[in-house]
Amino acid sequence: GNSVTQMEGPVTLSEEAFLTINCTYTATGYPSLFWYVQYPGEGLQLLLKATKADDKGSNKGFEATYRKETTSFHLEKGSVQVSDSAVYFCALEGGSEKLVFGKGTKLTVNP
Amino acid sequence: SAVISQKPSRDICQRGTSLTIQCQVDSQVTMMFWYRQQPGQSLTLIATANQGSEATYESGFVIDKFPISRPNLTFSTLTVSNMSPEDSSIYLCSVGDFWDSPLHFGNGTRLTVT
Repeated sequence: GNSVTQMEGPVTLSEEAFLTINCTYTATGYPSLFWYVQYPGEGLQLLLKATKADDKGSNKGFEATYRKETTSFHLEKGSVQVSDSAVYFCALEGGSEKLVFGKGTKLTVNP
Repeated sequence: SAVISQKPSRDICQRGTSLTIQCQVDSQVTMMFWYRQQPGQSLTLIATANQGSEATYESGFVIDKFPISRPNLTFSTLTVSNMSPEDSSIYLCSVGDFWDSPLHFGNGTRLTVT
């Protein structure tokens, strides 16, 4: 079945540092890929998505590229801010509208 | 995107009791799902709420424990029955349409069972 393997944290960075959170997937067919973010005390929000190979999703300075050859969708940001502190979830959707999530990565950014 | 109202936002319940969680959407949606997020864990799909018919449950979840209703295209309820401390989790409603991925999530119901 479909699965997502996500770099486990926690990850602690200083403000303006470079961020990478690794995500790889296993799926049949051609899934859509997503990054969701959960800020402290809040619900789950879509951060970015990509629906086909080589697509790049981007939002709020975050980027992720759908790499079919490596079955990966790594999240990157060039310069993190304190306000980026949250839990980040990688997820895939394999055509049934059901999402399969990774375990989440908690990011803490210190000033 | 759809606006999702989930109630209650949190509750503390005694073991052996039941809690019904409501999910209201401001527009008609094709798909409605219920997820569980256990403390420090990822989200796990409980079931798909089907309008006018019985919900479709994922492996490990059963109707007797998590009865679900979906009377129309904008509303669904999830009941957590005969609760135990292991049911302490965040329960999230999510909605979507085939032509409007991805899924959108409510803010969740934080349930604590004592």
